Amino acid sequence: EIVMTQSPATLSVSPGERATLSCRASQSVGSNLAWYQQKPGQPPRLLIYGASSGVTGIPARFSGSRSGTEFTLTISSLQSEDFAVYYCQQYNTWPFTFGQGTKLEIK
Amino acid sequence: EVQLVQSGAEVKKPGESLKISCKGSGYSFTSYWIGWVRQMPGKGLEWMGIIYPGDSDTRYSPSFQGQVTISADKSINTAFLQWRSLKASDTAMYYCARQGYSTPFYGMDVWGQGTPVTVSS
Repeated sequence: EIVMTQSPATLSVSPGERATLSCRASQSVGSNLAWYQQKPGQPPRLLIYGASSGVTGIPARFSGSRSGTEFTLTISSLQSEDFAVYYCQQYNTWPFTFGQGTKLEIK
Repeated sequence: EVQLVQSGAEVKKPGESLKISCKGSGYSFTSYWIGWVRQMPGKGLEWMGIIYPGDSDTRYSPSFQGQVTISADKSINTAFLQWRSLKASDTAMYYCARQGYSTPFYGMDVWGQGTPVTVSS
């Protein structure tokens, strides 16, 4: 099974600043990677698919990129509503697997 | 509106059976894969398995193979997650989510609201 490793576990950033979250796959997943946001008491929400394709309705400040098996989610200017837990998921190889999550908290 | 509506909260005893549901509406239910995700209290997301309601093609994570059964009834646009004998460690929130039009190789773009399951003696 492919292991997805997210870093850091917790990221403290001030509103208005840039946040960079990382996700590394234990083997190639191509660009078959998604990013999700989850707020307390809510289901996850798809932000990015195909490593870098934005979902309709998601603000443009969310962007994704890929370098080999390393993936990055960047939030360009943090808004108060962006503080949440973020998960990556590979959907290239069965079983599809999630990373353990990065909690983005207010500094 | 495209949505997945899950069945309500469940409280069960160890050893009991359970079947929870996920009803799709607003889209062609048989054309999209439906996945199930577990989230234990205070923990992350775990992908359990997936089904294509069009032909009931089903795949499981090895961690859940043999522990649960995923099924679908396309006549009522509903997917199911079933246990034969619950354990306390099955206590969690369970989400269904749509994952891909005809191919599962896509993000999970529509999520149910979640079904909380509590297993306690």
